[in-house]
Amino acid sequence: QQQVKQSPQSLIVQKGGISIINCAYENTAFDYFPWYQQFPGKGPALLIAIRPDVSEKKEGRFTISFNKSAKQFSLHIMDSQPGDSATYFCAASIKAAGNKLTFGGGTRVLVKP
Amino acid sequence: EAQVTQNPRYLITVTGKKLTVTCSQNMNHEYMSWYRQDPGLGLRQIYYSMNVEVTDKGDVPEGYKVSRKEKRNFPLILESPSPNQTSLYFCASSFLLSGSIGEQFFGPGTRLTVL
Repeated sequence: QQQVKQSPQSLIVQKGGISIINCAYENTAFDYFPWYQQFPGKGPALLIAIRPDVSEKKEGRFTISFNKSAKQFSLHIMDSQPGDSATYFCAASIKAAGNKLTFGGGTRVLVKP
Repeated sequence: EAQVTQNPRYLITVTGKKLTVTCSQNMNHEYMSWYRQDPGLGLRQIYYSMNVEVTDKGDVPEGYKVSRKEKRNFPLILESPSPNQTSLYFCASSFLLSGSIGEQFFGPGTRLTVL
């Protein structure tokens, strides 16, 4: 049973549009929520992360929204560009338990020009 | 350049033929880990190591072995590969910060096919 559920599995968006990827988790002890970006033929790389003491974090065109009561968090990619085409993974961890990551299933995003 | 390297990048083998995938990092990281990536399942941890000679099972360790004889190297060994081990494998490393895993840096991946 996956502890972190990610949706959708794939997403097609037009250039300039907004990409939205959602993740839901079960374990309320999770206290660190990173997103990883993976380009074809490459390993995942940390994109942006949030802790549950804030509801939103923005870095450039990438924003994480966090809803603690609903146990959900999402990644928004504003003004999506073809160079954003990649697979995105959400993850969660518990700092006191060593910060071991539990990953979601991944979302393949294709941004059409 | 700071990096995690894996070899080979692609491998096709047959059931039962022992193989080793190498992983090396040049960042002096204490923590190293192996993941497998399968469609819809994300990345699942196979084994990890907190330092030299210290290894432990992850979530899906069956059919795999690891060793950590040197800080920079963390090879993944499949003693008798089976078709259900066909997957994309990633090695990762990070510093340990007060016992917690820091940002993980991933290698480029090894695509393994077991016939």
